[in-house]
Amino acid sequence: IQLTQSPSSLSASVGDRVTITCRASQGISSYLAWYQQKPGKAPKLLIYGASTLQSGVPSRFSGSGSGTEFTLTISSLQPEDFATYYCQKLNNYPFTFGPGTQVDV
Amino acid sequence: QVQLVQSGAEVKKPGASVKVSCKASGYTFTAYYIHWVRQAPGQGLEWMGRINHYSGVTEYAQKFQGRVTMTSDTSISTAYMELGRLRSDDTAVFYCARGFPHFDYWGQGTLVTVSS
Repeated sequence: IQLTQSPSSLSASVGDRVTITCRASQGISSYLAWYQQKPGKAPKLLIYGASTLQSGVPSRFSGSGSGTEFTLTISSLQPEDFATYYCQKLNNYPFTFGPGTQVDV
Repeated sequence: QVQLVQSGAEVKKPGASVKVSCKASGYTFTAYYIHWVRQAPGQGLEWMGRINHYSGVTEYAQKFQGRVTMTSDTSISTAYMELGRLRSDDTAVFYCARGFPHFDYWGQGTLVTVSS
């Protein structure tokens, strides 16, 4: 099963609503997680089970979808949200990651 | 608090092996798998495999089969990832992560540089 993400990069401003899409080549139910990674840092879990917000993650982040199409939405982009975002499938091995979406100013 | 602390940076020659450690604390080590993820410079995240510390059973990505070995020592709550027959394109940061199955805690990463 392959994961694709769109867009591969985007430019946005503080306060913008941002939506990133992850598509799976086959259905994966809700076994999808989203991570944020900043340069030189380990990835950070944002969303799991496609839509469950990880403890401590701001509520401006939300996830939706099931089957083959998923979205990560940032309702109002903050300065600390400029980063690369990855989706990951978790239904069976291999636990493949998407190619990433870079969110720039 | 949950922590995963990895061993330090390594420089290896092509053809050599590298063994990276990941020491866990703050939770019951055997209750969660440890996964390993590779990230080449400027590239995305690549899942390498995982180990079930309780049974010792491993699952490896096909790309790394035959070159990677994941082990653990439950007495010291430490997982290991050994990658052999290193090539220059193995230069990367290697992360360990606790699997739940989503990866809720990550190590700080270990840079492995492969250069002659």
